[in-house]
Amino acid sequence: DVKVTQSSRYLVKRTGEKVFLECVQDMDHENMFWYRQDPGLGLRLIYFSYDVKMKEKGDIPEGYSVSREKKERFSLILESASTNQTSMYLCASCSGTGPDSPLHFGNGTRLTVT
Amino acid sequence: GENVEQHPSTLSVQEGDSAVIKCTYSDSASNYFPWYKQELGKRPQLIIDIRSNVGEKKDQRIAVTLNKTAKHFSLHITETQPEDSAVYFCAASRIAAGNKLTFGGGTRVLVKP
Repeated sequence: DVKVTQSSRYLVKRTGEKVFLECVQDMDHENMFWYRQDPGLGLRLIYFSYDVKMKEKGDIPEGYSVSREKKERFSLILESASTNQTSMYLCASCSGTGPDSPLHFGNGTRLTVT
Repeated sequence: GENVEQHPSTLSVQEGDSAVIKCTYSDSASNYFPWYKQELGKRPQLIIDIRSNVGEKKDQRIAVTLNKTAKHFSLHITETQPEDSAVYFCAASRIAAGNKLTFGGGTRVLVKP
């Protein structure tokens, strides 16, 4: 069974802090994704990566960056946290594309920026 | 880019009744439409999906229909049970673009016993 692990379930940070959200998957998946989940807005894609050291912007990349130094790990970075980045963050991974490769999500990190 | 709208945002049904959730998409090139279910406090999980070359797909009590001309697709849950209570998300993507899914806003389904 695929396991996608996010390092923190809950985080509270102050405005202006640099924040790191970590995600690790154990199934050798090539593709990894970061989504944020807000009520009524569904899941919105922040960044994704199809390979080590590769990254592509999703729909809402502003204020975020990512790092993929190893295949199993995908980090989301908030360079200077702001209150509008208070949200649930979900990491996901998959092995390929399309119907044969469903997304496997982590349990999420609920980030509060005060 | 793709835009997916989902309705209703909340849905309350009596146990045993049917539930229908509808989604529309904007990109006519989208050809893959999965549905994810997220139970309270848990991660989203794929429950069913459909490709654009199929009009309907069924898996036990759930079914998905797709109308490519109108660019909308729907999830149907029959004989609802309390364990169907969850948030359901539709999504759309182009298979060739990888699993870069665009999700709808979600529907919170409450099945009343």
